[in-house]
Amino acid sequence: EVFLVESGGGVVQPGGSLRLSCEVSGLTFDGYAVHWVRQSPGKGLEWVSVISGDGGRADYVDSVRGRFTISRDNSKNSVYLQMNSLRSEDTALYFCAKNKHYSSGADGLDIWGQGTVVTVSS
Amino acid sequence: DIQMTQSPSSLSASVGDTVTITCRASQAIGYSLAWYQQKSGSAPKLLIYAASALQSGVPSRFSGSGSGTDFALSISSLQPEDAATYFCQKYNSVPPTFGQGTRLEIK
Repeated sequence: EVFLVESGGGVVQPGGSLRLSCEVSGLTFDGYAVHWVRQSPGKGLEWVSVISGDGGRADYVDSVRGRFTISRDNSKNSVYLQMNSLRSEDTALYFCAKNKHYSSGADGLDIWGQGTVVTVSS
Repeated sequence: DIQMTQSPSSLSASVGDTVTITCRASQAIGYSLAWYQQKSGSAPKLLIYAASALQSGVPSRFSGSGSGTDFALSISSLQPEDAATYFCQKYNSVPPTFGQGTRLEIK
C-alpha cells in the first residue's frame, strides 16, 4: 500500500520560514510527479506546486512563486517545500499528493497525505 | 489561467436520490478533469479522472461525463456516506486549478 506522510508544519511569524517534508512509501517513487496542495480553514483546495519525477521540472502558483521552492530526494523517497517570506495568507493545511500514472505530466492525484498545518501569525 | 466554476455550491438530497454536480472550464481542457470527494477532517479522495474514468475502489454509482468546457459528476442511489464536499480539478496545464467545491448534504 502507498502512503504519503507530511511533516514540518508549525507556527511561524510573518516573514519567517518553514520546510515541509513529504515522505512516500510503497512504490517506485522516482517515476511520479508530486504536488503540494493547500486548504485554508473552511476554504477550498488551492494547488501550490509540482515537481516532476526526476526533479528536473517544477512549477508554482503565482502567489508563492519566488518565495517557495519545491525539491525532492529520490534516494530518501521524499519531496520538500521550502517556504520563505511567509505571509498570513499562507496559513493552511498543506497536503502532498502524487500523480496517478507513472511518468505522466498532467494527471489526477490518486494518493494524498493527511496534511500538515502551517500557521503564520505574530 | 483557466478558471473552474462548479455548481451548485451546496445541495441537499435524500438517500436513494440521484444528484449531478457540474463543472465548467473557462477554456477547453479536453478530457483532463478529475473529481475528488473530501469528508470533514480528511484528505481529498480521487473519484474520477480523465473526465469519466472511475478510480479503482470507487463505487460504480459515481460517474463522470463531459469534455471541452462542460463536465458533470453524477451520484446515483445516494448513501449516507456520500455526505461530503466534491471538487473538480483541471490538469491539462499548470496551474491545475480546483473548482470552489460543492457541499452535499444527505437529508
